[in-house]
Amino acid sequence: DAMVIQNPRYQVTQFGKPVTLSCSQTLNHNVMYWYQQKSSQAPKLLFHYYDKDFNNEADTPDNFQSRRPNTSFCFLDIRSPGLGDAAMYLCATSRDSQAQETQYFGPGTRLLVL
Amino acid sequence: AQSVTQPDIHITVSEGASLELRCNYSYGATPYLFWYVQSPGQGLQLLLKYFSGDTLVQGIKGFEAEFKRSQSSFNLRKPSVHWSDAAEYFCAVGDWRRGSYIPTFGRGTSLIVHP
Repeated sequence: DAMVIQNPRYQVTQFGKPVTLSCSQTLNHNVMYWYQQKSSQAPKLLFHYYDKDFNNEADTPDNFQSRRPNTSFCFLDIRSPGLGDAAMYLCATSRDSQAQETQYFGPGTRLLVL
Repeated sequence: AQSVTQPDIHITVSEGASLELRCNYSYGATPYLFWYVQSPGQGLQLLLKYFSGDTLVQGIKGFEAEFKRSQSSFNLRKPSVHWSDAAEYFCAVGDWRRGSYIPTFGRGTSLIVHP
């Protein structure tokens, strides 16, 4: 029944140690998004894919990269996590990129950086 | 850039009382507006959305929202709150960027429900 799946739900990493978060979807949606949400703040878009086309937000740090090997999977790579990268990372999908399309969110991965 | 303001960080209501969460937007044209709910430790779930037509929009879980262009507002309402409604509520406006509509979220309003 799960539609947008994020693994793991909790991730602990060390300062500077690369980490990868994963997202998969069973909806066959064209668009996948990664958001960063810090405590008591709004989700902030990092980047999104329309199919294989990658769209990076202008203020997303170079430390954050993404891969989408196929329609179902999308990965968020943090090359050298800093303490300020501790946050909830939300993956979302939508069928298309038009305004009326609903975004479906996964439960999120909470990242802790020690 | 488009923006959304949610002026209330926290709202406390008693179970059974009515609820109104405020949202004001800044957008040059007809806005695409959304309300999402986020339960603790969970992702966001869409409650309702407005694109055009009837300015009173019905959503899931008994929520409704009214679009008022003259006030640039899209307030969320529920006539009788249940304890399970305690959550974070985000208003968002669809922002056309790089060929896609991307929701720009407000900072959220935390709803606390007293028994």
